Amino acid sequence: GAVVSQHPSWVICKSGTSVKIECRSLDFQATTMFWYRQFPKQSLMLMATSNEGSKATYEQGVEKDKFLINHASLTLSTLTVTSAHPEDSSFYICSAPGQVIAGGTDTQYFGPGTRLTVL
Amino acid sequence: RKEVEQDPGPFNVPEGATVAFNCTYSNSASQSFFWYRQDCRKEPKLLMSVYSSGNEDGRFTAQLNRASQYISLLIRDSKLSDSATYLCVVNGGGGADGLTFGKGTHLIIQP
Repeated sequence: GAVVSQHPSWVICKSGTSVKIECRSLDFQATTMFWYRQFPKQSLMLMATSNEGSKATYEQGVEKDKFLINHASLTLSTLTVTSAHPEDSSFYICSAPGQVIAGGTDTQYFGPGTRLTVL
Repeated sequence: RKEVEQDPGPFNVPEGATVAFNCTYSNSASQSFFWYRQDCRKEPKLLMSVYSSGNEDGRFTAQLNRASQYISLLIRDSKLSDSATYLCVVNGGGGADGLTFGKGTHLIIQP
């Protein structure tokens, strides 16, 4: 099946620094990728939709200047958390849509996630 | 506003028992429905899609009631390895939309 990778798996950084997370589709092309965030004991929340060759679409309440998204190629989207603070500590997961499967429904392939801890 | 609601549990169930989860969704325009499984500190993994006619995959059975905007998951003959958080997931339409996740139902299978 399709595979999505994320790098790094985890990162610990000091408050005020910027952290870049990469999401790659390994054996398929993805014109669209999604970035989610999950706080402990909470559901995954969609942050933004990354569009290859154009600007990302951000969900309400997500600061586009803080969470910079770049989808420069059909296999790579990056999320940069700028000037990270402790409240940005979370589990960040990307996904890419898969092909339509039996029954006409579609699914998404998730990366393994990146656990960010900001001290 | 898109919402998917689930009972967070935890459900403590003895091994071999049958357990069922439900979820409701608020967006009547939703087109695709899924159950995902998420293990602690891991990414969610697709368990099964949910079709209007109901569908079964081994010990797992999913049902969808569009009129009531209600989705269910039944697990028969539960195994210790079924312990996880089960996420009810809805897609508004097509691959261009991100998924809307419920908070998940935590299942603990006890030996």
